Amino acid sequence: EDQVTQSPEALRLQEGESSSLNCSYTVSGLRGLFWYRQDPGKGPEFLFTLYSAGEEKEKERLKATLTKKESFLHITAPKPEDSATYLCAVRDLSGGYQKVTFGTGTKLQVIP
Amino acid sequence: GAGVSQTPSNKVTEKGKYVELRCDPISGHTALYWYRQSLGQGPEFLIYFQGTGAADDSGLPNDRFFAVRPEGSVSTLKIQRTERGDSAVYLCASSFNKQDTQYFGPGTRLTVL
Repeated sequence: EDQVTQSPEALRLQEGESSSLNCSYTVSGLRGLFWYRQDPGKGPEFLFTLYSAGEEKEKERLKATLTKKESFLHITAPKPEDSATYLCAVRDLSGGYQKVTFGTGTKLQVIP
Repeated sequence: GAGVSQTPSNKVTEKGKYVELRCDPISGHTALYWYRQSLGQGPEFLIYFQGTGAADDSGLPNDRFFAVRPEGSVSTLKIQRTERGDSAVYLCASSFNKQDTQYFGPGTRLTVL
């Protein structure tokens, strides 16, 4: 059974204070690792897809990286508008491409 | 372009009642998914449609839950004899095909009193 564990559960940063969020996963055959951002009362908003170890993707202040066991979402010089819950999810060969398993998320708060 | 839309945004019902939740996917997306998200949790897979057929309904919790997509576009999630434990946010997502990235709607918050 696929497992996705995100840490920390919550993170409070000062504006401009860079940090990283962790996503550890256990799958039989990775067919994609996804990062989403979710604001309160909204649906998840797609950020990145990573497919293989060593892959990196960037978008504004966010950078996602992938190893064989975990993914990191690096946030550089965050701003208050980066405050949200960040969800990690995996798609596994054994689950079929349609089944995506989510972690419980990291709630990020950026203080001005 | 237009994203995934869901109606209603909020639904309050009484225990034992029947509810229908609607999802309108991104135009051209053949794959459609329903998820359920409880407070403080990540979305949990319920059902997947490819075209008009439910290709994987392994996540539906019991036979009170049912979903349809009769014309391969709009989908309706139906819950019979609602229970308080059904209270959650129901999310719909769509993708061009099942290997593609899933894009989510805003969700319907269901409250069963």
